Amino acid sequence: EVQLVESGGGLVQPGRSLRLSCAASGFSFSDYYMDWVRQAPGKGLEWVGRSRNKANTYTTEYAASVKGRFSISRDDSKNSMYLQMKSLKIEDTAVYYCARVIVGATRDGYYYGMDVWGQGTTVIVSS
Amino acid sequence: EIVMTQSPATLSVSPGERATLSCRASQSVSSNLAWYQQKPGQAPRFLIYDASTRATGIPARFSGSGSGTEFTLTISSLQSEDFAVYYCQQYNKWLATFGPGTKVVIK
Repeated sequence: EVQLVESGGGLVQPGRSLRLSCAASGFSFSDYYMDWVRQAPGKGLEWVGRSRNKANTYTTEYAASVKGRFSISRDDSKNSMYLQMKSLKIEDTAVYYCARVIVGATRDGYYYGMDVWGQGTTVIVSS
Repeated sequence: EIVMTQSPATLSVSPGERATLSCRASQSVSSNLAWYQQKPGQAPRFLIYDASTRATGIPARFSGSGSGTEFTLTISSLQSEDFAVYYCQQYNKWLATFGPGTKVVIK
């Protein structure tokens, strides 16, 4: 069974750091791009960032709202991805999801989609 | 940053009826658009990519169309399990943004 399980969420004070983990199983993790998406309480989805696969040199990209504060890494030997969050703000409070990404070429460019999601882990930033 | 808008915010539909959801991008995203469904307390579910291609296992009653800045998700005959929030997401130039969502409720 293809599965993603996030962990590491919790209550943290503003300005502190936290690291989330995403454990993958049931598929060849090293072949896939992986994304982080978050959802603030009662709000919509917000893309956080991405880790490409080994074939694409594990490059990362981030939303402007977290760039410079958050960093994504992965350990293919452990089938895991991580989200290191620093200088946390109250507005970072959210459920954080990891998602598997499918990508491919089309006639006009490329396609992309997050086809498998974890159940999410909750981060609360509060004093 | 490309800003996505969705309309209406809430759509009231009777079971068996057609639902038409709109999504607009602040600038052209070509066909680099996906749709997701989310039910309360659940993770999102991948529905459509490349604006009109159904993801694996998605029923044929879901269809997507559009390109450039205007997109539509159509649910041809709403089933009870389709009442949920639907998000569009653009992925042009790899930096993704979601729309605010359309909530489909029972009429």
